[in-house]
Amino acid sequence: GQQLNQSPQSMFIQEGEDVSMNCTSSSIFNTWLWYKQDPGEGPVLLIALYKAGELTSNGRLTAQFGITRKDSFLNISASIPSDVGIYFCAGSNDYKLSFGAGTTVTVRA
Amino acid sequence: ETGVTQTPRHLVMGMTNKKSLKCEQHLGHNAMYWYKQSAKKPLELMFVYSLEERVENNSVPSRFSPECPNSSHLFLHLHTLQPEDSALYLCASSQDFRTAKNIQYFGAGTRLSVL
Repeated sequence: GQQLNQSPQSMFIQEGEDVSMNCTSSSIFNTWLWYKQDPGEGPVLLIALYKAGELTSNGRLTAQFGITRKDSFLNISASIPSDVGIYFCAGSNDYKLSFGAGTTVTVRA
Repeated sequence: ETGVTQTPRHLVMGMTNKKSLKCEQHLGHNAMYWYKQSAKKPLELMFVYSLEERVENNSVPSRFSPECPNSSHLFLHLHTLQPEDSALYLCASSQDFRTAKNIQYFGAGTRLSVL
C-alpha cells in the first residue's frame, strides 16, 4: 500500500490539554480512518471520514478529511489520562488500508 | 468484546515448530484479513479473504499459510519461522470488501516470539 506520513511520532500530554496529530499522503484517498491502539490490544476505530472537507466528531475527538484528499488530522480536546495510546491514521480507496506508523501519546509526568 | 477474537494471545515457538493462529469473527462479516505489526512500523497487510476465497497474498513468504474454512473463521499456519517473524499478528474483518465504506474491525492480536 501507499506510505502515509503521520506526525508527530510521539507526544506528551498534560491532562486538560488539546492535542493534534495529522497524516499526509502523496496519493489521494476516498476514505480516511483513525484508530487507537492500547497496549496489548488491537486497533479500535475512532472516526471514519468519507468525503473531502468532512469534519466529524466523536465525543472529545474531531477529525477532518482534507480538501485535497491527501491529508487528515485528528484533534483531542481536554485530554484525560485514558487518552494515552497509539493513534493510527489509515487511508483507503478499496479494501486495502494504508496505515501510518502511528503517534504515541503518553502522559507528561 | 470487539467481535473479533484471536487465539492464542501469546505464542513462543522455535524455528522448527509448526503452530497455528486462529481468528473468529462474530459480526456476520464476509471479509477477513491478516496483518503483521512490528514495532514503530505501519501495519502490513498479509492476506485477504472474501467469502472464503483468497483475494490478496501480499508477497508473504510460504512459511505463512492462511486458511479460511468459512466466513467466520480464519487461520494462519506457521512453519519454520525466522526470528524476524516475531511480531503482533492482527486479524480483522469487514462487512464486504467491495464496498467503498469498508470499515475493518480488529482483534486483540497474537504476540508471536520466534526463538
